[in-house]
Amino acid sequence: QKEVEQNSGPLSVPEGAIASLNCTYSDRGSQSFFWYRQYSGKSPELIMFIYSNGDKEDGRFTAQLNKASQYVSLLIRDSQPSDSATYLCAPRGGSYIPTFGRGTSLIVHP
Amino acid sequence: KAGVTQTPRYLIKTRGQQVTLSCSPISGHRSVSWYQQTPGQGLQFLFEYFSETQRNKGNFPGRFSGRQFSNSRSEMNVSTLELGDSALYLCASSLTDTYEQYFGPGTRLTVT
Repeated sequence: QKEVEQNSGPLSVPEGAIASLNCTYSDRGSQSFFWYRQYSGKSPELIMFIYSNGDKEDGRFTAQLNKASQYVSLLIRDSQPSDSATYLCAPRGGSYIPTFGRGTSLIVHP
Repeated sequence: KAGVTQTPRYLIKTRGQQVTLSCSPISGHRSVSWYQQTPGQGLQFLFEYFSETQRNKGNFPGRFSGRQFSNSRSEMNVSTLELGDSALYLCASSLTDTYEQYFGPGTRLTVT
């Protein structure tokens, strides 16, 4: 079982829709969960982090965490073409070795 | 506040050569981590430095090494380059006790 699993996609959504990106992890010691956005040819950019079970909202982004199910998700409301990118999930705190998911490619079409 | 900077941005080397990449973290950040990103393997952790000491190391051969200076700037070195070392090398900095990492623009290394 991979340590961090994400559907590679691409996930295609129409402009204005809600995009839902999912991530499961195997390390039960993980305490912090980070979402990075990476545009093609660019470096990852931190967009959200969550530490506690439940939801955390920041603008159009909502991170959801369920530690019992070892599941974290990122919702993007009112998706825009500029949201088209690869989204990387990164749980931290269990192992000292940072582990990133392979990322989900999101395409928002007009 | 200035972001993480990396130099050079692009490099072309031949097999067997060595290369040194440089990273300057965000001001006040004392932890610097290095990653290799390839289409096949994704983002792979190389090592992390904090206060001039290597704190963690990923599963890479000894040809990959690094160091950190007293001003938190960091360098990584790859000796005896192989074709498979062609990748985007990313540096990320963070504050002392947080995992929130901020990435630099990366160095694109091509080995021919």
